[in-house]
Amino acid sequence: SQQGEEDPQALSIQEGENATMNCSYKTSINNLQWYRQNSGRGLVHLILIRSNEREKHSGRLRVTLDTSKKSSSLLITASRAADTASYFCATVTGNQFYFGTGTSLTVIP
Amino acid sequence: NAGVTQTPKFRVLKTGQSMTLLCAQDMNHEYMYWYRQDPGMGLRLIHYSVGEGTTAKGEVPDGYNVSRLKKQNFLLGLESAAPSQTSVYFCASSLDYLTEQFFGPGTRLTVL
Repeated sequence: SQQGEEDPQALSIQEGENATMNCSYKTSINNLQWYRQNSGRGLVHLILIRSNEREKHSGRLRVTLDTSKKSSSLLITASRAADTASYFCATVTGNQFYFGTGTSLTVIP
Repeated sequence: NAGVTQTPKFRVLKTGQSMTLLCAQDMNHEYMYWYRQDPGMGLRLIHYSVGEGTTAKGEVPDGYNVSRLKKQNFLLGLESAAPSQTSVYFCASSLDYLTEQFFGPGTRLTVL
């Protein structure tokens, strides 16, 4: 399966700290995307990084991509209680979308 | 601009019953998707469509059928529901296969 795997499965931090989560995948990709899901809600797109890009920023988010290691990381800086959610990576290979199993982030006020 | 909407939000079925989940999008997207989400499994693609009148199988298509008669609508059918189909179902749409997907709020289905 191409399905990405996020690491760690769960993460608990204090407000103001940085949160880092990782995604590994198995085959070559067109791009990799990160999504957030608040409890009981649908997924919301956060950021997209193409296979020829190594790093991308959006506000407090920083995404890196290492295609040689088939891995990506999402860094959330200066976390807030409102960042509490599950985070999923999704890889695009051909015309198929594959989601990972997610990292559950809890930010303690 | 409602984005992606799903009907119904909740449903309880008995084993063997049938039902149809409706997904609608108002963004003129070509691609539409149906996923199911189970605890610890992430999202798994059931079926998808690359345009009006087309459908294709995803990772877990068995027990489901779909139709895309209009560009804005994507229907997911369960002909004979089974307890294993208890899940949260999400619809999504996108401009093409490379761009971000926009998700609906989900349908929580329980099959007894």
